[in-house]
Amino acid sequence: GAVVSQHPSWVICKSGTSVKIECRSLDFQATTMFWYRQFPKQSLMLMATSNEGSKATYEQGVEKDKFLINHASLTLSTLTVTSAHPEDSSFYICSASPPWGLNEQFFGPGTRLTVL
Amino acid sequence: ELKVEQNPLFLSMQEGKNYTIYCNYSTTSDRLYWYRQDPGKSLESLFVLLSNGAVKQEGRLMASLDTKARLSTLHITAAVHDLSATYFCAVGRDGGSQGNLIFGKGTKLSVKP
Repeated sequence: GAVVSQHPSWVICKSGTSVKIECRSLDFQATTMFWYRQFPKQSLMLMATSNEGSKATYEQGVEKDKFLINHASLTLSTLTVTSAHPEDSSFYICSASPPWGLNEQFFGPGTRLTVL
Repeated sequence: ELKVEQNPLFLSMQEGKNYTIYCNYSTTSDRLYWYRQDPGKSLESLFVLLSNGAVKQEGRLMASLDTKARLSTLHITAAVHDLSATYFCAVGRDGGSQGNLIFGKGTKLSVKP
């Protein structure tokens, strides 16, 4: 099966600092990865679509300059939360679709960000 | 704009009982997904439904899709405690890239002895 990993699994940082979250497809190449945010007891909200070799596509209301996405290779996408504030505290989940199952989507284990 | 509505949002069941979770969506789509999420964990894929009339079953769970009614159901048969989790349906945005999904709010299922 397809495996997607995320690192770190949790992070605590001070307000004003930047945090980078990595999303890797371990056994397949993903030209597109997706970043979601989930607040406690709420649903997943798509933040952006990460495309290898090009700029990410952000959903309405998501600040591009605050949530920097870089899809540097076919197996790695990173999300950087810049100048983090307590309201950015959330569960961030990435996902990717393998090329052999275009309608399948596999999710990473998530990263819990807490901003103090 | 694609909207996805699930109901109920909370469901408390006794073991051995049957129940159905409903997922309605507002515009056409060519794919619908059901996921399970345990507390503090990511999503586990349960079913992928790609065509009208599709029905899939795994253990005590069965999912179906009616694209004309824009409705999917997740039926639970003879619930057991291990099924306690939050269940999400997600719908693919028509014409969007493969993983471009819009999620329902989720149904928190609690199965009691």
